[in-house]
Amino acid sequence: DSGVTQTPKHLITATGQRVTLRCSPRSGDLSVYWYQQSLDQGLQFLIQYYNGEERAKGNILERFSAQQFPDLHSELNLSSLELGDSALYFCASSFRTGGINEQYFGPGTRLTVT
Amino acid sequence: GDSVTQMEGPVTLSEEAFLTINCTYTATGYPSLFWYVQYPGEGLQLLLKATKADDKGSNKGFEATYRKETTSFHLEKGSVQVSDSAVYFCALSALGGGSQGNLIFGKGTKLSVKP
Repeated sequence: DSGVTQTPKHLITATGQRVTLRCSPRSGDLSVYWYQQSLDQGLQFLIQYYNGEERAKGNILERFSAQQFPDLHSELNLSSLELGDSALYFCASSFRTGGINEQYFGPGTRLTVT
Repeated sequence: GDSVTQMEGPVTLSEEAFLTINCTYTATGYPSLFWYVQYPGEGLQLLLKATKADDKGSNKGFEATYRKETTSFHLEKGSVQVSDSAVYFCALSALGGGSQGNLIFGKGTKLSVKP
């Protein structure tokens, strides 16, 4: 158990809908990273927050957004969903940002768009 | 940009065989290097890491050495077990260009160990 929790575990929704994925980092960790794992693209970094502020963006679509709340949990919002958004979404947490930076992963949310 | 290339799978071995999974990287500067393992239906677990040239990371019988001259970080284990069956990901921690330590992953190598 990494100490990172993600809810829900599974999510099935229709095209055009909006969903919210939730992540609680390990106790004491200030940084949250979101990654998408799909068969064709592999594991890709989406976005990072550190202590409530956005710090880095990767291959995140404009339809996707995220935020980190004062209690440090984070939410990833996916809107106008398309079939190609079906994937596993992981969040990871670490104590610091940048540099030597061990990240601990949650169990993931499997999103299926039908 | 930074990237990681690892050997294509799947790799099928018999129990007690020697394992090597090749990983090479392209990066600006000297990134930290990691191996993560993903068991079926689970998230990624950090297996081992190395933070500078010639560092050797090791854990649970797995080893990898950070080779700057060949930009490689190959994963090895002397004697695999059925319980090692999983997908293994090589990754680097991006530096510079606005990156804040996000991980760049290889495509993963699926290992199956037969009894």
